[in-house]
Amino acid sequence: GAGVSQSPSNKVTEKGKDVELRCDPISGHTALYWYRQSLGQGLEFLIYFQGNSAPDKSGLPSDRFSAERTGGSVSTLTIQRTQQEDSAVYLCASSTTAGETQYFGPGTRLLVL
Amino acid sequence: SQQGEEDPQALSIQEGENATMNCSYKTSINNLQWYRQNSGRGLVHLILIRSNEREKHSGRLRVTLDTSKKSSSLLITASRAADTASYFCVTLPGSARQLTFGSGTQLTVLP
Repeated sequence: GAGVSQSPSNKVTEKGKDVELRCDPISGHTALYWYRQSLGQGLEFLIYFQGNSAPDKSGLPSDRFSAERTGGSVSTLTIQRTQQEDSAVYLCASSTTAGETQYFGPGTRLLVL
Repeated sequence: SQQGEEDPQALSIQEGENATMNCSYKTSINNLQWYRQNSGRGLVHLILIRSNEREKHSGRLRVTLDTSKKSSSLLITASRAADTASYFCVTLPGSARQLTFGSGTQLTVLP
């Protein structure tokens, strides 16, 4: 079956512009996670969705970052007024439920010039 | 602060040798997972060990968990060049809903 997919795979934008990153989780997975990974670093948790519960936004670095998950499936991570320090690989993962094995997408590589 | 911390940060071995990586964490956990990340690619789940388990095997992988010491080890036997990757220890703290990743061990297996 299909795994987690993300789009676009690469995104180059200018400082100050808004970007939207998309994640399609594995069908039936109720938990969805967004992470950020800077070059050579570990993963930084951003936000977590579980079913219809309110998302855990505790990892979002600033109010320029937001995410939504429509219909319990596809999720969009939005970064407003991008800064150069936002440049990173943004990874999405899904799992059957919270705490179980996470299946990762290939990531979106964002470069803010 | 980091929940899971891997040790060593980097490890270089010859093909055929065994590689051991360690992970320490701070709070109680429900489970601990190991993931692998090849350069420029996504993360791949390797193995999950629950807090009531002490050892688990999967192919050439052996994972141990010592909840009294809040530590885990990942052993890769008969290493191959294709095992070259970053390995992350990931914990699910008992009171939290998201997994917390350490900064990883970079393993290089020389042919």
